Amino acid sequence: DTGVSQDPRHKITKRGQNVTFRCDPISEHNRLYWYRQTLGQGPEFLTYFQNEAQLEKSRLLSDRFSAERPKGSFSTLEIQRTEQGDSAMYLCASSLEGTGPYEQYFGPGTRLTVT
Amino acid sequence: DAKTTQPTSMDCAEGRAANLPCNHSTISGNEYVYWYRQIHSQGPQYIIHGLKNNETNEMASLIITEDRKSSTLILPHATLRDTAVYYCIVRVAGGNQFYFGTGTSLTVIP
Repeated sequence: DTGVSQDPRHKITKRGQNVTFRCDPISEHNRLYWYRQTLGQGPEFLTYFQNEAQLEKSRLLSDRFSAERPKGSFSTLEIQRTEQGDSAMYLCASSLEGTGPYEQYFGPGTRLTVT
Repeated sequence: DAKTTQPTSMDCAEGRAANLPCNHSTISGNEYVYWYRQIHSQGPQYIIHGLKNNETNEMASLIITEDRKSSTLILPHATLRDTAVYYCIVRVAGGNQFYFGTGTSLTVIP
């Protein structure tokens, strides 16, 4: 399978716990994005990487959120001290930077439920 | 990036063409029109994009008006599996994030 993969697909955690999600992009893609999607809304941008550098962060990404892409391949998104408002689908996407209008390819998402 | 306006929901009979409109009246000359769809509980799926010419691929056709202020995504023979939320997005080439909005919920009716 050469698509974007995410792990786990579902996560249930108690408020206050830390959680970490993983994203494996399409192998030749140098850009990786994280989005969050709540019920009835479209995906909202959180952050993106070009290779291992984190180049942009949304104001939605509070101090409790941290993302890494240490070797420019897979990425992790960690949420510390989870709150009920963090319950959402977390989507990862990747793309190949170029001079043209490249598209982003999305993974299946990780659904987080904070109880 | 320019904003888009889409109807909240639409129905289409199975086997008929589904025509999904999108208004992007503030689009600038270097912004492309992208369409994605999201089937329930899955990640968004890329469909098609265009700048000013009409485009067609194996999934759909994209018709962009001459003034580029609106576009229509056409699914030529809708099937039940095309039931999804369809997002119209405008973005500059080389831009980063996509602004998805709330999209159009298309229901294909048997």
